[in-house]
Amino acid sequence: KQEVTQIPAALSVPEGENLVLNCSFTDSAIYNLQWFRQDPGKGLTSLLLIQSSQREQTSGRLNASLDKSSGRSTLYIAASQPGDSATYLCAQTGGTSYGKLTFGQGTILTVHP
Amino acid sequence: EAQVTQNPRYLITVTGKKLTVTCSQNMNHEYMSWYRQDPGLGLRQIYYSMNVEVTDKGDVPEGYKVSRKEKRNFPLILESPSPNQTSLYFCASSFAGGAPDTQYFGPGTRLTVL
Repeated sequence: KQEVTQIPAALSVPEGENLVLNCSFTDSAIYNLQWFRQDPGKGLTSLLLIQSSQREQTSGRLNASLDKSSGRSTLYIAASQPGDSATYLCAQTGGTSYGKLTFGQGTILTVHP
Repeated sequence: EAQVTQNPRYLITVTGKKLTVTCSQNMNHEYMSWYRQDPGLGLRQIYYSMNVEVTDKGDVPEGYKVSRKEKRNFPLILESPSPNQTSLYFCASSFAGGAPDTQYFGPGTRLTVL
């Protein structure tokens, strides 16, 4: 069974800090990995998608990496801002079925001024 | 505007009363999926559909039904809702060349079963 774990569960940082969120997955037959952002009471917004053949993707201040051999992905946020405060989730696609997505429990990020 | 819509957004019902939550997307996506989100359990996949007339179980399909008769719609049916199906439900869609691509989520449906 696919399992996805995110560490830490919560993180509080001052504005301007660079930070790293971690995501671990157990199934090496990964097709792609996605990072999402969820604001309170809202749906999920996709941030970055990394195909299994890629090692990283970048969008603005965000950089996501993927290491299939170790079963890990990281989301790097540069120069954090209060508007980055949200829950960040990663999801693995693949394993026994291409259609299955398995989510981690998320990291609650608070960036204080 | 490209979007995934869900209806209703909020629903309070009683045990055993059949209900349907609709999901529609206007992006011509092949892939659609339903999730439930519960405190402490995170997001769990209920059912997914790789294309019209092709559906498959996710991790928590018990008590739910789906159908995919048209590409744009993917309704979630609870034939006999129970209190343990009280949850926040999300529908999502994406292109699917070989597997689901970037997921677009609906706003969510908060369901309470009394």
